[in-house]
Amino acid sequence: GAGVSQSPSNKVTEKGKDVELRCDPISGHTALYWYRQRLGQGLEFLIYFQGNSAPDKSGLPSDRFSAERTGESVSTLTIQRTQQEDSAVYLCASSLVARQVLYEQYFGPGTRLTVT
Amino acid sequence: AQSVTQLGSHVSVSEGALVLLRCNYSSSVPPYLFWYVQYPNQGLQLLLKYTTGATLVKGINGFEAEFKKSETSFHLTKPSAHMSDAAEYFCAVSEEGNNDMRFGAGTRLTVKP
Repeated sequence: GAGVSQSPSNKVTEKGKDVELRCDPISGHTALYWYRQRLGQGLEFLIYFQGNSAPDKSGLPSDRFSAERTGESVSTLTIQRTQQEDSAVYLCASSLVARQVLYEQYFGPGTRLTVT
Repeated sequence: AQSVTQLGSHVSVSEGALVLLRCNYSSSVPPYLFWYVQYPNQGLQLLLKYTTGATLVKGINGFEAEFKKSETSFHLTKPSAHMSDAAEYFCAVSEEGNNDMRFGAGTRLTVKP
């Protein structure tokens, strides 16, 4: 009965380096979301995966951001050539069905990314 | 696109006092509305949600919220605050068929003894 897990919990990186963030959704959840939360701001939608359908990448802020998910398992969010404005908490959530957002999203604890 | 405004980034109440956290939304179609809570060092968890039907929605831990279409509001209330209610609260809005759930900036609730 594990919940959504994310790793690492904290990541400090130098400007210009690439980082990879990992999300393990709840087993059986077909939908997976990534959000970004900057200090003092709300959650910003980044990308959404639903089963084997093409992901909805409409929230990705630039082409430095990409994400992958194999089937209904682990997802990785990659940020290339990190910038200081990328510093934020990155949250992952999973749910049973995505199209009807009636279904509750279960959130992971987040990865706090600091770009120096 | 839908959006959410939470009035007050920080609310402080005394234990036993009424809790009122404000949320106003903007949506071009009937919205789905949510309140999430984030306790210190924990992930977000759903408090309650409104989709259709009864406009007064009851959630966990004694919280409730009322959907008021005329006011485009979905304020969160609890009659009597408890110390354990101290957390950050997020209001969110989405629309049927839209994968993009929009969150407010959050309101940090402090409960004084």
